[in-house]
Amino acid sequence: QSVVTQPPSVSGAPGQRATISCTGTDSNIGAHYDVHWYQHIPGTAPKLIISTNSDRPSGVPERFSASKSGTSASLVISGLQAEDEGDYYCQSYDSNVRGWVFGGGTKLTVL
Amino acid sequence: QITLKESGPTLVRPTQTLSLTCTLSGVSLSATGVGVGWIRQPPGKPLEWLAHIYWDGDDLYSPSLRRRLSIAKATSGDHVFLTLTNVDPLDSATYYCALTRASLTGPSFDFWGPGTLVSVSS
Repeated sequence: QSVVTQPPSVSGAPGQRATISCTGTDSNIGAHYDVHWYQHIPGTAPKLIISTNSDRPSGVPERFSASKSGTSASLVISGLQAEDEGDYYCQSYDSNVRGWVFGGGTKLTVL
Repeated sequence: QITLKESGPTLVRPTQTLSLTCTLSGVSLSATGVGVGWIRQPPGKPLEWLAHIYWDGDDLYSPSLRRRLSIAKATSGDHVFLTLTNVDPLDSATYYCALTRASLTGPSFDFWGPGTLVSVSS
């Protein structure tokens, strides 16, 4: 079981907004380690879409945004498109693990 | 252009050792701050971090797999090696290598290889 938890699934109609939560503990997100988000389309490599809590790497659409507060973080996808379907993972560093931790992943379905 | 690519066997017998190689292009593990991690995803399960090595040779391991894992880098800085001993069918997964860059607050995996699917079966 992941030390960082995400909802198993979220869904939304095209054009709507979807929010994915990421809840950690005082040894990872709450310890001021950055949260990063990845999009994983089955059969392809995971892709970094948000780094350092809220920064979008070059080429990532502006409709992807994220924030962090306390021991939690959130990814927001505005104006959902069919191509956004896939799995989304948050990731941080954990001082107890002395390494990286991933959330359990959230499957996004665009209805 | 930075690319990573995993290579290794597609089938390993139980109790054997799995050896994987990550080949880097466009970046060197000799550069200060650079690191390479290994992550895997068993079928139907989430991503799991396994191990990481920094440019200076410092290495970190998942506590649950520490006794079975070993990570190393080539002196040339363009290859990273992962070995997993005494494999079990539960080790069947897609294995990825990914690049990190310097960060004091927990780096992200900025670039990923396409992954290599490994099956453990007799």
